[in-house]
This record gives sequence, structure tokens and C-alpha cells, in this order.
Amino acid sequence: QKEVEQDPGPLSVPEGAIVSLNCTYSNSAFQYFMWYRQYSRKGPELLMYTYSSGNKEDGRFTAQVDKSSKYISLFIRDSQPSDSATYLCATGTTDSWGKFQFGAGTQVVVTP
Amino acid sequence: DGGITQSPKYLFRKEGQNVTLSCEQNLNHDAMYWYRQDPGQGLRLIYYSQIVNDFQKGDIAEGYSVSREKKESFPLTVTSAQKNPTAFYLCASSISLAGGNEQFFGPGTRLTVL
Repeated sequence: QKEVEQDPGPLSVPEGAIVSLNCTYSNSAFQYFMWYRQYSRKGPELLMYTYSSGNKEDGRFTAQVDKSSKYISLFIRDSQPSDSATYLCATGTTDSWGKFQFGAGTQVVVTP
Repeated sequence: DGGITQSPKYLFRKEGQNVTLSCEQNLNHDAMYWYRQDPGQGLRLIYYSQIVNDFQKGDIAEGYSVSREKKESFPLTVTSAQKNPTAFYLCASSISLAGGNEQFFGPGTRLTVL
């Protein structure tokens, strides 16, 4: 079983809709949670970084962490065609020494 | 501009050849990493380095080698012992290996074995 599970999609939404992405993880020791955006044939770009449970908002992006359910989410409001990309979640612990666990990524397509 | 550069962008290799992928960063980060990305799979860690002249094997180090002679450089060699080397290779760096430090990625190198 993978430590981080993520639906591969593709997830297709019309422009302006809310995009809802999620990951589940198995290790309750995970404390750090990240979302990366990756355009085709490019390197991942860090979008959101959260520590422990709770919500974090940055512009159109909101990240949620529910440690009791081992569930992390990313919401994109007012989606744009430029949001079409693959979104990767990642987690780690304080003693993981940089060894994050990555999900396989969810492909998002925002149609005009 | 601070960042991570990888070269070449595309690389073609014949079976039996070794190839070296370049990774350079000017972020003054101590820690550097190499990942492999295959379709439908998460990033898999090949090697990581905490400091100059020190590096550790990741989850899939067989068939790969690295060096860390300079803080800003972390080249990856894909040897002929790697049985399935066709993949997208990503280099990353972070301030240190301490838990929780964000990793920043380069643009990647796509390696194809002919």
C-alpha cells in the first residue's frame, strides 16, 4: 500500500468552477503537508505548505488538513484554464530528513 | 534570479551507455535531491545529499550514482546497470534536510533509452 494515495483523474471542470483535490495518507506521524503544481514536462512548483491540522488560504487556493481522518485537500476557486496541470500532494515528518512521500498526482483540466 | 537549473532538457541514450545529468542551484541550499518520475507514480527518491562530500541512497538507488563536490552542484549518473532508465528526472534542493523544509524543484531532464 502506498503511503500517500491520490486519484489520478483527469478532473475536468468549466472555467470559474471550484476545483476540489484530495489525498489520503496512512502514516499518522506525518506533520508537514504540501501541494505542488506541475505543468506538462516541467518541474513541480510549490503551491501550499501547511503544518499539522487546519486550513491555510493563499489567494484562490485553500489547503485543508484533517489529521484525524488522514485526509488533505486543496481547493481552487474561480478556476482558470491556466490552472490546468497535475497537482501533487506530499507529506513528511520532523525526522524524515527531507524524505517526503509524494502522491502520484491528479490531472486537472479547466475548460474555457 | 535564484533557482535550480538542470541540463540537458532532453537526453537520449543507447543501451549500455552511462549518461550524466546536471543539476546546479544558486539558492545556497545545503540539501539536494534526485527524483525519478514515471507516469502514474509518485516521485521516487534516488539519492539525496545533506552537505558537500556526503550523500545517501534513497528508495531506488540501484543503477545510479552521484557526487557532491560543490555545494551548488549535484550531478546524477545513470549507469548501464539501470534496467529501465527511461523516465523524467527531477533535481530538488532545500535549506537543509531538517524535517519540514520545503523542497524546490528544477525543470527536469527527460531521458529516453533508444
